[in-house]
Amino acid sequence: GAGVSQSPRYKVTKRGQDVALRCDPISGHVSLYWYRQALGQGPEFLTYFNYEAQQDKSGLPNDRFSAERPEGSISTLTIQRTEQRDSAMYRCASSLEGTGKGFDEKLFFGSGTQLSVL
Amino acid sequence: DAKTTQPNSMESNEEEPVHLPCNHSTISGTDYIHWYRQLPSQGPEYVIHGLTSNVNNRMASLAIAEDRKSSTLILHRATLRDAAVYYCILKYGNKLVFGAGTILRVKS
Repeated sequence: GAGVSQSPRYKVTKRGQDVALRCDPISGHVSLYWYRQALGQGPEFLTYFNYEAQQDKSGLPNDRFSAERPEGSISTLTIQRTEQRDSAMYRCASSLEGTGKGFDEKLFFGSGTQLSVL
Repeated sequence: DAKTTQPNSMESNEEEPVHLPCNHSTISGTDYIHWYRQLPSQGPEYVIHGLTSNVNNRMASLAIAEDRKSSTLILHRATLRDAAVYYCILKYGNKLVFGAGTILRVKS
């Protein structure tokens, strides 16, 4: 596609339910990132994939959060047993190359999934 | 991890240049300086990046201090569409670590 596509655009769920958020990166992009953004704050890093390998998951808040990218393209961020504090905008980004020395790759962000946990 | 410091907000008049400062005193020799902006209700958007030399593109210019401990994003003629949050970011490991950014308000 022309850009990074995320679905659903909005997700409302009840506390305790599991949710799966999908990201379809720009075709051919090697790197994929997940960020979370609370209202009025900058994006907070969650996890990073290089092709299908999850190389950095240091930003995942706890073990209820997991992500996969099995074929090195589409990625899914799963939140189990959702809590109200999980409510936020979840953003996916991709870049053409994997990071090398001096990280100089542009990230392209999707429109995000607004998650509301009631 | 290297951190950046930016003013919380700035205001500019339309059609005038805007200089957005960023301090990064703990920058390492291989850290690139990135700028992204986020328009209301949109995802962050790449603006410009550089390592040591000043950089220009169609959106903006980036002036990097000789000691690399600070940089300035320059919008040559601000328009109402430039009103956004501007993030100055350094690489940390595999990721871009965003701070709170500078809210730029543009007055007509």
